[in-house]
Amino acid sequence: EADIYQTPRYLVIGTGKKITLECSQTMGHDKMYWYQQDPGMELHLIHYSYGVNSTEKGDLSSESTVSRIRTEHFPLTLESARPSHTSQYLCASRGPPGDNEQFFGPGTRLTVL
Amino acid sequence: KQEVTQIPAALSVPEGENLVLNCSFTDSAIYNLQWFRQDPGKGLTSLLLIQSSQREQTSGRLNASLDKSSGRSTLYIAASQPGDSATYLCAVNGNNRLAFGKGNQVVVIP
Repeated sequence: EADIYQTPRYLVIGTGKKITLECSQTMGHDKMYWYQQDPGMELHLIHYSYGVNSTEKGDLSSESTVSRIRTEHFPLTLESARPSHTSQYLCASRGPPGDNEQFFGPGTRLTVL
Repeated sequence: KQEVTQIPAALSVPEGENLVLNCSFTDSAIYNLQWFRQDPGKGLTSLLLIQSSQREQTSGRLNASLDKSSGRSTLYIAASQPGDSATYLCAVNGNNRLAFGKGNQVVVIP
């Protein structure tokens, strides 16, 4: 079954650690996105990709980085985690023109102590 | 810049009542509009996608309308159930990027 996966679902980590949040989709979608959402607040786009080797920064400034080496995989990395990075991170992918429906993963809830 | 507003921000209704959730957007040059459901601490589940050429979409008890010229969409949920309690998000697609509203937080009271 086509789907979008995120791991880990929950992560508690100390300040200064390097972390990578994983996102994979099995739908063959070219377009993928990372959003950040604080509890009860709106989603903010932090990174997106329109295909392999293509990455762009989103609307909200973020200290994270992303890579897109394979179509199905779009990991997000924080080189040095800080308490201000505590948030929920949501990965999404979008179908081709004519379809264009966007699907979301279950999210990773990150807490930096 | 596209701005999306959802009214009301929160509402409570007794079970069985119909729900009406409103979404307005400022730039009518859109490709499509998507309604999502989000449960607390979870990801977003796609409910309905309306292409810019369409006026409405239906799925079960859900019906969404789109009036591009006036920059409005409405999500109707018929005969609400306690399981419908969630936050409903409207997202407008312009150039392959979604602009989200802040959501309608719905509580259906048994």
